Amino acid sequence: RKEVEQDPGPFNVPEGATVAFNCTYSNSASQSFFWYRQDCRKEPKLLMSVYSSGNEDGRFTAQLNRASQYISLLIRDSKLSDSATYLCVVNMNDYKLSFGAGTTVTVRA
Amino acid sequence: DAGVIQSPRHEVTEMGQEVTLRCKPISGHDYLFWYRQTMMRGLELLIYFNNNVPIDDSGMPEDRFSAKMPNASFSTLKIQPSEPRDSAVYFCASSLTGRWYEQYFGPGTRLTVT
Repeated sequence: RKEVEQDPGPFNVPEGATVAFNCTYSNSASQSFFWYRQDCRKEPKLLMSVYSSGNEDGRFTAQLNRASQYISLLIRDSKLSDSATYLCVVNMNDYKLSFGAGTTVTVRA
Repeated sequence: DAGVIQSPRHEVTEMGQEVTLRCKPISGHDYLFWYRQTMMRGLELLIYFNNNVPIDDSGMPEDRFSAKMPNASFSTLKIQPSEPRDSAVYFCASSLTGRWYEQYFGPGTRLTVT
């Protein structure tokens, strides 16, 4: 079983729509959680950390459910520039990040 | 400010040849990570350094892979001999101790082994 699993998508949404997707992680001892974003043929970049109480960063909202071992990302008012692959990332309290395979989002005009 | 610099950006080589990938981390960053990304396996951590010292190389696939960091501003990842299954995008990333999880990735080296 993979450490981090994501629905690969693609999620095709019109501009202005809301899109949400989850990822699940296998190790209940995981300590820290993040979302990274990767544009086509580019390098990954940190989008946001995910806190236990849930957190927002502008149009992006991240949630953590430790009991069910999943993390979610919601994007409101989607922009064309939000088109990317979103990588779910988990850490086990060491200095190593485990990346999911990514969920692809395509926002159309 | 310059980000993480990697060279070459593209490398095409024949099976059995030695390949050396280079990375210059962001100045002042004390963590350096080497990753490999493929469609099949996604993004995998190969090895990471702290203050130029290798800390965890458990992700290195086999003895054909080696990595060095002779100083704070330079690291190499070497594959010898290369095999077609090594074809991937290799990323180098660096970060600071206080925010080690905010890793700044270089543009990657796209390696093709024929």
